[in-house]
Amino acid sequence: EAQVTQNPRYLITVTGKKLTVTCSQNMNHEYMSWYRQDPGLGLRQIYYSMNVEVTDKGDVPEGYKVSRKEKRNFPLILESPSPNQTSLYFCASGPFGGQKEKLFFGSGTQLSVL
Amino acid sequence: AQSVSQHNHHVILSEAASLELGCNYSYGGTVNLFWYVQYPGQHLQLLLKYFSGDPLVKGIKGFEAEFIKSKFSFNLRKPSVQWSDTAEYFCAVTSDNTGGFKTIFGAGTRLFVKA
Repeated sequence: EAQVTQNPRYLITVTGKKLTVTCSQNMNHEYMSWYRQDPGLGLRQIYYSMNVEVTDKGDVPEGYKVSRKEKRNFPLILESPSPNQTSLYFCASGPFGGQKEKLFFGSGTQLSVL
Repeated sequence: AQSVSQHNHHVILSEAASLELGCNYSYGGTVNLFWYVQYPGQHLQLLLKYFSGDPLVKGIKGFEAEFIKSKFSFNLRKPSVQWSDTAEYFCAVTSDNTGGFKTIFGAGTRLFVKA
């Protein structure tokens, strides 16, 4: 089954404690992206990747890091989380050059930073 | 800067009422337009998309949307809503001309359908 898998679904942490949210897709998609969803703001892009070893900043990259060492994986790293990063995070993937194609979304990770 | 505006943040309807959710985008080039739906506790799923051809597109579950280029709009419609349509709806835009793959989402519209 084609899917994007995110882990964990829920995460509670404290300020400053490094964390990683994993994202994996099994569709051989070149493009992957991270979004955060906040009430009234919709989805805002954090980082995206056009292919292995190719990443770029989205609209709200501050405080986040990503890596794309393998095509299927695109982890989101918070080196020193802060309370303003409390949010619902979604990973998505799509075929390269697929501006006309839909994105496939993971189930989301609800992060709370205390 | 490119942006997507959804006019209504919250909509409450009774079952069988007609629905229209507004979406306007600001971009002068060629665009590809999407409506996604997020049911409670679930991830986003595609409802419909438009990139060329007939400006009236039909999607899943009886939804349709009309692209009006002169108004930079892509409104979502459904003639008769059901309780199961309760969800959050997002309009999104991509462009063939951006350097990279950027999907810009609107802020979303929460629809609540009363049984």
